[in-house]
Amino acid sequence: SQQGEEDPQALSIQEGENATMNCSYKTSINNLQWYRQNSGRGLVHLILIRSNEREKHSGRLRVTLDTSKKSSSLLITASRAADTASYFCATDGDKIIFGKGTRLHILP
Amino acid sequence: EAQVTQNPRYLITVTGKKLTVTCSQNMNHEYMSWYRQDPGLGLRQIYYSMNVEVTDKGDVPEGYKVSRKEKRNFPLILESPSPNQTSLYFCASRSTHQGERYFGPGTRLTVT
Repeated sequence: SQQGEEDPQALSIQEGENATMNCSYKTSINNLQWYRQNSGRGLVHLILIRSNEREKHSGRLRVTLDTSKKSSSLLITASRAADTASYFCATDGDKIIFGKGTRLHILP
Repeated sequence: EAQVTQNPRYLITVTGKKLTVTCSQNMNHEYMSWYRQDPGLGLRQIYYSMNVEVTDKGDVPEGYKVSRKEKRNFPLILESPSPNQTSLYFCASRSTHQGERYFGPGTRLTVT
């Protein structure tokens, strides 16, 4: 059964704006991961946040985790055309479960 | 360069003709897994392996087989492919001590 659910399913923003994607899950986790996938290609790991962490940064990426609400958000600041991709959250507990992804399109 | 490789990248075949998709990683990872990705369904795990000679079913194992005779290789075998196995397949690996998965480039399989 699908655990991570991303929201929104699709997002279009202007280059330079910030993009926020959300992920909700159902059961307890050890960590939560975000991945990026360019069209038809393999997933690339972006960032991992452990269950005892609340916020993590990596370059233009900021991830938050609220275990009480079973939710996470991924913020991409100052978006670029190269950020156009699908973004997946994955919850890592007994096994890893991927959400269905948010398709992000950066408009020039 | 640390990587996961898959072959072939594209394959068109006919129903019932056995095929194997190879997966190899050069990071000495214990854990390897196979996923299929379908529109509207996301990534679903087919099989995984915690180490050599240790394999287990994922969420959608029907119609697939795997083997793990060596640490670096984890082939996916379709003994009798059917059209509903038309999909994009990904192999991934990770060290048991880390959560990050490393994905291969994908194999697009079409079964007619």
